[in-house]
Formats: sequence, C-alpha cells, structure tokens
Amino acid sequence: EVQLVESGGGLVQPGGSLRLSCAASGFIFNSYAMGWVRQAPGKGLDWVSTISGSGAGPYYPDSLKGRLTISRDNSRNTLYLQMNSLRAEDTAVYYCVKLRSRPETGELLHSIFDSWGQGTLVAVSS
Amino acid sequence: DIQMTQSPSSLSASVGDRVTITCRASQDISNALAWYQQRPGKAPKVLLSGASILESGVPSRFSGSGSGTDYTLTISSLQPEDFAIYYCQHYFSDPFFGQGTKLEIK
Repeated sequence: EVQLVESGGGLVQPGGSLRLSCAASGFIFNSYAMGWVRQAPGKGLDWVSTISGSGAGPYYPDSLKGRLTISRDNSRNTLYLQMNSLRAEDTAVYYCVKLRSRPETGELLHSIFDSWGQGTLVAVSS
Repeated sequence: DIQMTQSPSSLSASVGDRVTITCRASQDISNALAWYQQRPGKAPKVLLSGASILESGVPSRFSGSGSGTDYTLTISSLQPEDFAIYYCQHYFSDPFFGQGTKLEIK
C-alpha cells in the first residue's frame, strides 16, 4: 500500500523559510515522479512542484519559481520542499503526491496525482 | 496557461439522483483530464483520468466524457458517501485544477 507522510509544517513569520518532508513507502520510490500540491484554507487545489524519479526537472508554476526548491533523497525514500521568502498567501495545507510515471525510468508520464499524503499545514503570519 | 472552469460551483441533490458536473478548458486539452473527489477533512482522490478512464477501485456509478475543451463527470445514482467536493484537472501542460464543485445533500 502506498503511504505518503508529510511533516515539517507549522507557523512561520512572513519572509521566513520552512522545509517540508514526505516519507514514502509501499512502492519503488525512485521509479516515480513526485510532487507537491497545496490548498489554501477553504480554497481549491494548486500544483506547486514536480520532480522526476531521478531528480531531473524539476518543474514549478511560473508564479512560484525562485522561492521554492523541490528535491528528493532516493536512498531515504524522502521528498522535500524548501520554501523561502514565505508570504501570507503561501498559507495552505501542502500535500505530497505521487505522479503517473514510466516505472522503467522514473520519468514523468502524466501529471495525474494518483496518491496523496494527509497533508501538512503551513501558516505564514506575524 | 490553460485555465479550467467548473460548473456549477455547488449543487444540491438527493441519494439516488443522477448528477452531472461540467468542466471547460480555455483551449483544447485532448482528453488530458482527471477528476478528483475530496471528502471533508481528507486528501483528494483521483476518480478518472484520460477524461473517461475509471481508476482502479472507483465505483462504476462514476463516469466521464467529453472532448476538446468540454468535459463532464456524471454520478449515475448518488450514494451518501458521494457528497464531497469534486475537482477537474488538466495535464495537457502544467497541471491546473478547476475551482471545484461542492455536492451537498438536499
């Protein structure tokens, strides 16, 4: 069974930094692209970032480029999201997601989010 | 960016009803469309991809159709556990979600 467990969320002041982690199990981690999707309180879903099984890419929406860095440690089956220069509008639940991939290479096949963690809340406030 | 517009934003229905949710893309997305269900307090779950391909374990009362820019999600006979928020999402390019449709009990 696929399990994705996020950690690292919390309260941070505007301008601060935070690193989220996602511990993965139940599948061959380096065979799958992984990513992050966020959801502001009471709002919809926004794609945040994607990284291939090998670490190639990564990919971000233009609105978030420069402030976020996605990375992975395949030896630890762990995905990370480093967030800098945080703003109030970054307040959200951040979900770790597994994406539809080519298992022989770990490359992204389609940005279909087929497994989700339970999410970790990031609150940016003074 | 390709934007997604869902309608309606909310919908009231009864157990046993047939309901349809619509999603329109700002340009042709060639069936690169997924639908997700999000129950209160839970993470989303993918229901369909490729506009009409049911994911493993998803009940057959869920179906999808469409082409080009216009797509629909249909639930043929609502069950109590189906009252949730539904999102469409394209993956033709950088993924983008619709704003969601809240399905409530009448």
